[in-house]
Amino acid sequence: EADIYQTPRYLVIGTGKKITLECSQTMGHDKMYWYQQDPGMELHLIHYSYGVNSTEKGDLSSESTVSRIRTEHFPLTLESARPSHTSQYLCASSVRTGGVSPLHFGNGTRLTVT
Amino acid sequence: QKEVEQDPGPLSVPEGAIVSLNCTYSNSAFQYFMWYRQYSRKGPELLMYTYSSGNKEDGRFTAQVDKSSKYISLFIRDSQPSDSATYLCAMSANTGFQKLVFGTGTRLLVSP
Repeated sequence: EADIYQTPRYLVIGTGKKITLECSQTMGHDKMYWYQQDPGMELHLIHYSYGVNSTEKGDLSSESTVSRIRTEHFPLTLESARPSHTSQYLCASSVRTGGVSPLHFGNGTRLTVT
Repeated sequence: QKEVEQDPGPLSVPEGAIVSLNCTYSNSAFQYFMWYRQYSRKGPELLMYTYSSGNKEDGRFTAQVDKSSKYISLFIRDSQPSDSATYLCAMSANTGFQKLVFGTGTRLLVSP
């Protein structure tokens, strides 16, 4: 059972709408991530956070924004959705330590913009 | 050219077969290697993690890293239908996993 929760699981929305994808984790992890996954393609990092009030852009350019006001919550927002935003969005978290802490993923939000 | 190459499959095997899944990579700085399993409509879950070269075994799963050849493998013994999933390799040069690079995944189908 996942300790990192994403809602909604599926979202179909029209062009121009504002959307927020929710991600919460109950593990107390400091680091959180948003990845984009398209069929047949590798996961691409779009945002990450080291902790509260810390956000950074990932390797893949994205028009989305994120916030980290609470440790457990890392929502992703699209101000004006477009068909090119159609994708699966995966949230992940890990412990911030001096050692290695592999990522723990949620089950994703599949977004379709019509 | 992608930093990490992985055959997308699908790889179809009968139940009980030994499965070999592989990734090649080009960045010699990679030191941390992971295998994730992703079932349909689910997020990836960590299966195995290894550091540098060598083997690591966990039950029916063995992860192998050959840094000289820039090649990693995941072996599954006595494969089961429940092993049917997409297997993603991932690797990083350091513990800061914001630089984690994933393969595209290999879809495995194990038939009863």
